[in-house]
Amino acid sequence: QSALTQPASVSGSPGQSITISCTGTSSDVGGYNYVSWYQQHPGKAPKLMIYDVSKRPSGVSNRFSGSKSGDTASLTISGLQAEDEADYYCSSYTNNSLGVFGGGTKLTVL
Amino acid sequence: QVQLQESGPGLVKPSETLSLTCTVSGGSINSYYWSWIRQPPGKGLEWIGYIFYSGSTSYNPSLKSRVTISIDTSNNQFSLKLTSVTAADTALYYCARSGVAARNFDSWGQGTLVTVSS
Repeated sequence: QSALTQPASVSGSPGQSITISCTGTSSDVGGYNYVSWYQQHPGKAPKLMIYDVSKRPSGVSNRFSGSKSGDTASLTISGLQAEDEADYYCSSYTNNSLGVFGGGTKLTVL
Repeated sequence: QVQLQESGPGLVKPSETLSLTCTVSGGSINSYYWSWIRQPPGKGLEWIGYIFYSGSTSYNPSLKSRVTISIDTSNNQFSLKLTSVTAADTALYYCARSGVAARNFDSWGQGTLVTVSS
């Protein structure tokens, strides 16, 4: 069970859109529509932003969206705001009812 | 609004057992999955395992030989035991809730730092 692969960092200017990728295998990301995304600000616990690939929990801005193609899932943040600067982690359900996280991506708002 | 709070020793000696408890308040422990997730300082998240309120469990294969998660529904608590710890087990340990197995962690504790050192 290996960690999912995410870029170490991405950046964008306010108002722009960015996309963070999350690559796994057919045993996790590619095999199930069970990818979730978490936002973590420094010193805080992670917050669920997207679940089941593209669903948003109540209270999460519609600027956040998720998608999946094959073994790669993506998180897109549109209309980038300063408050979006944080670490983002993807997670997937895997074979045998296990969970796995990505290595995390640091988003910098320029 | 459910709240989760981790508790336990912040310092554990190498080769000893790490023991943490998560207390759930503001909601029932029934009908949910309860996970432990850790984050080494400056690093990413690692899923440790979960327990369903009925008592069924699932563990990360890389930790399975050393991990036990248990639940006390009468006190709305669940616990983590990690044996034979080393410095590599130093991390911020979170407890979290999900409505489905091993995913969609919608409520988290604030985390508790456990340092493994003599």
